[in-house]
Amino acid sequence: DAKTTQPNSMESNEEEPVHLPCNHSTISGTDYIHWYRQLPSQGPEYVIHGLTSNVNNRMASLAIAEDRKSSTLILHRATLRDAAVYYCILRRALGLIGSSYKLIFGSGTRLLVRP
Amino acid sequence: GAVVSQHPSWVICKSGTSVKIECRSLDFQATTMFWYRQFPKQSLMLMATSNEGSKATYEQGVEKDKFLINHASLTLSTLTVTSAHPEDSSFYICSARAGTGRYEQYFGPGTRLTVT
Repeated sequence: DAKTTQPNSMESNEEEPVHLPCNHSTISGTDYIHWYRQLPSQGPEYVIHGLTSNVNNRMASLAIAEDRKSSTLILHRATLRDAAVYYCILRRALGLIGSSYKLIFGSGTRLLVRP
Repeated sequence: GAVVSQHPSWVICKSGTSVKIECRSLDFQATTMFWYRQFPKQSLMLMATSNEGSKATYEQGVEKDKFLINHASLTLSTLTVTSAHPEDSSFYICSARAGTGRYEQYFGPGTRLTVT
C-alpha cells in the first residue's frame, strides 16, 4: 500500500492558519489524496480529497504539489474544535473500474490548538 | 450528511465470551462497509471489507474465524468477536460507503470493547 509521511504533532494558535504537510513520494497516477480527521474517542471525519488540482471546501483547502509527491492541508482559521489527529491517506483503487477501494490510515498528525 | 451508527458504544465482557457489534447506515444504503480496530494512541488498522451479500475480505493477519463479519443488508453490518480475550480489548470502528463510484467513507462513532 502506498505510504504517507506526516509529522507526529503540530501546534497552532487559535484564529491562525494551519498548514499540515504530507509526503507521498510513492503515489501513483490514479491515487487520490484524502484527508480525514479524528477527534478524541470518535470515528474519523472526512475533510477533503483531491487528485491533481488544489481543492477548497467549507472545512479546508488542499494544496497538491505539481509532482503530486506531497500535499498540504490548510485550515484557514484554526479553532479549538479543530484539535484532532489529521490523517493523510492515499486512496488506491482495487479494481479496474476504480470504484472499489480501501483507505489505509497512517500515523497522522496530532494538531494542538492553543487558545 | 450521511450518518453511521454503532451499537453498543461500549461493552465489557468476560474472557471466552462472544460480543456482537452492530454498524448501521441510517440515511443511505451502504454497498460496502469496513471494519477497523484502533489501540490507544495508535492509528486505525483496517480489519476487513465487506460488500452486501458477499463474504468479507479480511486483511492479512486478521483471523476470520475470530472476527466474524456479516453484511446481510444494505444498512447493517455486524462484527462478532468470538471467544474474546483481553488482547482483543480495543476501539472498533466501522465505516460505510454509498454505492459504486462514491468516494466518501462515513465513519461510525466507534465501540470500545473491554475484555476482562
